[in-house]
Amino acid sequence: AQSVTQLGSHVSVSEGALVLLRCNYSSSVPPYLFWYVQYPNQGLQLLLKYTSAATLVKGINGFEAEFKKSETSFHLTKPSAHMSDAAEYFCAVSSGYSSASKIIFGSGTRLSIRP
Amino acid sequence: ETGVTQSPTHLIKTRGQQVTLRCSSQSGHNTVSWYQQALGQGPQFIFQYYREEENGRGNFPPRFSGLQFPNYSSELNVNALELDDSALYLCASSLIASDPYEQYFGPGTRLTVT
Repeated sequence: AQSVTQLGSHVSVSEGALVLLRCNYSSSVPPYLFWYVQYPNQGLQLLLKYTSAATLVKGINGFEAEFKKSETSFHLTKPSAHMSDAAEYFCAVSSGYSSASKIIFGSGTRLSIRP
Repeated sequence: ETGVTQSPTHLIKTRGQQVTLRCSSQSGHNTVSWYQQALGQGPQFIFQYYREEENGRGNFPPRFSGLQFPNYSSELNVNALELDDSALYLCASSLIASDPYEQYFGPGTRLTVT
C-alpha cells in the first residue's frame, strides 16, 4: 500500500526566503508523486507531478521538487517565497498503475509567509 | 474549456437526513473521482466512476453511493448523515487512457451536519 507523510503541519518563512516543504513516501512499487496547493475556500490545484521521467520536476509558480529514491522523499522547494504562496500544500501518491488509480494524500502543510 | 464544477457550494443538513452532491466534469473527461476532506486533513478517496460504473472505492460505508451519467457528470449520495460526515467534498475529473494521473479538482461542496 502507498502512503505519504508530510513533515510539519505548519511552516512559516519570510517573504523572499527559501521555501522547503517535506514529503516522504512509502510504496511497494515505483510511485507516481504529486504536489497540490489549496487556497482558502478553494479546491486543489496541481503544482507538479513525478511520473518516472526526470527526477527534478518543475511546476507552476516557481515551485520544483526532486524525487530521491534512496531517501524515499519528494520535497517541494521554491527559491524565493512570495506572499501569494500562502496556502495549504498536499503531497500525494497514486495507488497503482491502472488508469483508474486513486490519489492518496498526506495530511497537508500550511505555509505562512511573513512580510 | 470548462473546468470542473460542483453544486451546491455549501449545504447544511441534520443528522439522519440524506444529501446529494453534484459534479460536472471537465469537458472531454470520462472519469470522476470523489474525495472527502475533513477540516485540517488531506482529502480521502471515496470512489471513482468510469463508464457509469463504480471503478474503485475507498474505505467508506455503503451509505456513500454515487452515480455517473452518460454526459460523465456525477452525483454523490450520502444516506443517514452523521456528524462526522461534515467535510468538504471534492470532485475530480480525468481522462482514462490519456494522462490518468492528472486529476482536475472542482472547488468542492462544504457539507455541515448538525
